[in-house]
Amino acid sequence: QQQVKQSPQSLIVQKGGISIINCAYENTAFDYFPWYQQFPGKGPALLIAIRPDVSEKKEGRFTISFNKSAKQFSLHIMDSQPGDSATYFCAAGDVRGADGLTFGKGTHLIIQP
Amino acid sequence: DVKVTQSSRYLVKRTGEKVFLECVQDMDHENMFWYRQDPGLGLRLIYFSYDVKMKEKGDIPEGYSVSREKKERFSLILESASTNQTSMYLCASSLPRGQGLLYGYTFGSGTRLTVV
Repeated sequence: QQQVKQSPQSLIVQKGGISIINCAYENTAFDYFPWYQQFPGKGPALLIAIRPDVSEKKEGRFTISFNKSAKQFSLHIMDSQPGDSATYFCAAGDVRGADGLTFGKGTHLIIQP
Repeated sequence: DVKVTQSSRYLVKRTGEKVFLECVQDMDHENMFWYRQDPGLGLRLIYFSYDVKMKEKGDIPEGYSVSREKKERFSLILESASTNQTSMYLCASSLPRGQGLLYGYTFGSGTRLTVV
């Protein structure tokens, strides 16, 4: 089983701070790296995704940084807000959709007001 | 509003029962997936399907089977429920191969199954 290792398991950040979640993957065939956000009682929802041809992708306050040589990618949440409190999952897979996505174990993020 | 609907939000079943979890999507997606979510273990792929009557094993298929008789419906079957199958079950759908994952998965809200 190809793993995606995610850290930390839980994270507490003050309002306005930067939240950083890290992931590492093993399978060099992976070429699609999404992040999902899950609120209690809801299914995960796609937040942002990156392909390995770029090192960074930014959407609003959310940025993915990607290091292909290290097989690592991370999610940065700038100016973190209490509404960002959720569980975040990184994932990796084949962009063609073969074999489904492999998910990390999740990070429970709490933004303190 | 497009969506993936899972028929039950909560289920309680007895050990040894045959359990059916139903999932319906209204987005005309070819691909459908079943994951289970457990604290500290994340989402683990059970089965997936790329087309009607087609199925592929995921990472943890033991004790489960699936059925896809219609494009919009993907059922997960626990042949003989056991307590270690107590979990949150999530169904998802996506666009087909070629279009791949660029638009991501759409997940249902999940079915929390308790086996007693």
